[in-house]
Amino acid sequence: SQELEQSPQSLIVQEGKNLTINCTSSKTLYGLYWYKQKYGEGLIFLMMLQKGGEEKSHEKITAKLDEKKQQSSLHITASQPSHAGIYLCGADGGTASKLTFGTGTRLQVTL
Amino acid sequence: NAGVTQTPKFRVLKTGQSMTLLCAQDMNHEYMYWYRQDPGMGLRLIHYSVGEGTTAKGEVPDGYNVSRLKKQNFLLGLESAAPSQTSVYFCASGRQGFAEAFFGQGTRLTVV
Repeated sequence: SQELEQSPQSLIVQEGKNLTINCTSSKTLYGLYWYKQKYGEGLIFLMMLQKGGEEKSHEKITAKLDEKKQQSSLHITASQPSHAGIYLCGADGGTASKLTFGTGTRLQVTL
Repeated sequence: NAGVTQTPKFRVLKTGQSMTLLCAQDMNHEYMYWYRQDPGMGLRLIHYSVGEGTTAKGEVPDGYNVSRLKKQNFLLGLESAAPSQTSVYFCASGRQGFAEAFFGQGTRLTVV
């Protein structure tokens, strides 16, 4: 079965600072998904990456999938309090039937 | 447009009691999923469905049953609740895969 490891597990950054969250897979990634979860709420889809070397951006969040398709990174530029939450990566292993999630990265943004 | 609605939002059960969690989606999605989220373990797939009348086991199916009699509803049942089933349960639905999957707000279940 596919396992996803996220690092760091938690992160505290000052508002305005940049940060990066990593997601490493034990197997080749066919579809890599990034979600954000606000405390006590459901998950919100951020981005999906499929091709090696692919990079997508939405507002101040950029996600990349490495060429070997075993690692993805999520980069936030000029962090804001609204970025606080839990970021989870997920992988579908080549089938849309199931999605395996990493354990998540808890982000706090201080003023 | 309600999206994905989970009922109830909170519940406390005694060990051995049964209950059903309801997930309803109004987006005509084929795929529906039940996950549980526990501290330090992330989200784990319990059961899923790829269409009306179909169900399949996920990563942690033991102690749970599901039914998808109507396309818009996916029910998760606990026949005899155990303290190990204390968790936050999330339902999700998608048209095809997870590219545009929508998650419910979660059900916080405590088994005492």
